Amino acid sequence: TQLLEQSPQFLSIQEGENLTVYCNSSSVFSSLQWYRQEPGEGPVLLVTVVTGGEVKKLKRLTFQFGDARKDSSLHITAAQPGDTGLYLCAGYNNAGNMLTFGGGTRLMVKP
Amino acid sequence: DAMVIQNPRYQVTQFGKPVTLSCSQTLNHNVMYWYQQKSSQAPKLLFHYYDKDFNNEADTPDNFQSRRPNTSFCFLDIRSPGLGDAAMYLCATSRDRRFSYEQYFGPGTRLTVT
Repeated sequence: TQLLEQSPQFLSIQEGENLTVYCNSSSVFSSLQWYRQEPGEGPVLLVTVVTGGEVKKLKRLTFQFGDARKDSSLHITAAQPGDTGLYLCAGYNNAGNMLTFGGGTRLMVKP
Repeated sequence: DAMVIQNPRYQVTQFGKPVTLSCSQTLNHNVMYWYQQKSSQAPKLLFHYYDKDFNNEADTPDNFQSRRPNTSFCFLDIRSPGLGDAAMYLCATSRDRRFSYEQYFGPGTRLTVT
C-alpha cells in the first residue's frame, strides 16, 4: 500500500503570510494531484503534476513535484482568508489505476 | 453547470435502516467512484465502476453496496447503517482509470445516523 504523508496537519496564519504544505512518500507516483476542499463540499482539483521536477503556478499557488516523484509541495504566497480550507494531495501509483490520498492539511487564514 | 451531482446533500437515517445515496454525472465519464470521508480525514475509496465492471476495495465492509444502472447514475446502498457509518460520502468520476485522467468530485452527501 502506498502512503502519502502531509505536513503540517493544521496551519493557522495571518493574512499576507506565506506558507508551504508538504506531501511525502517512500513510493514513486506516476502523477500527483492537489485538491482544495471547503467545509461541506467535495474536493476541487487545483493541479496535476506528472514530470519529476515539474513546477506549476496557479496565481499565488506554486506546486512542485520532486525529482524522484516521491514528494510534492504547495507554496502559497500572501495568503488570503479565501484560501482557508482542507488541502489534499493524492497520487496515482505506477500502474496508474489507484489514487491514494494524503491525510490533508487544514489551513486557516485569519484576516 | 453542475457536472457531478449528489442527492441528497444531507441525509439522516436511523440505526439499521437501509439508506441509498445517489450520484449522477453529465460528463459521460466511464468511471464512477464512491469515497467515504470522516471528519478531518482524507477520502477513503470504497469501490468504483469502470463502465459496468464493479471493483470493490478489499477493506470495504459488506454493508456497503453499489449499483450503476447506466453511464450517468450510480448509487450507494448502506444495508444496515451503524453509528460508525456517519460520514461525508463523495462521488467522483473520471474518463478512464489511468493517471492521466483526473477525478471530478461531487459536493458530497453528509450522512447522519441516529
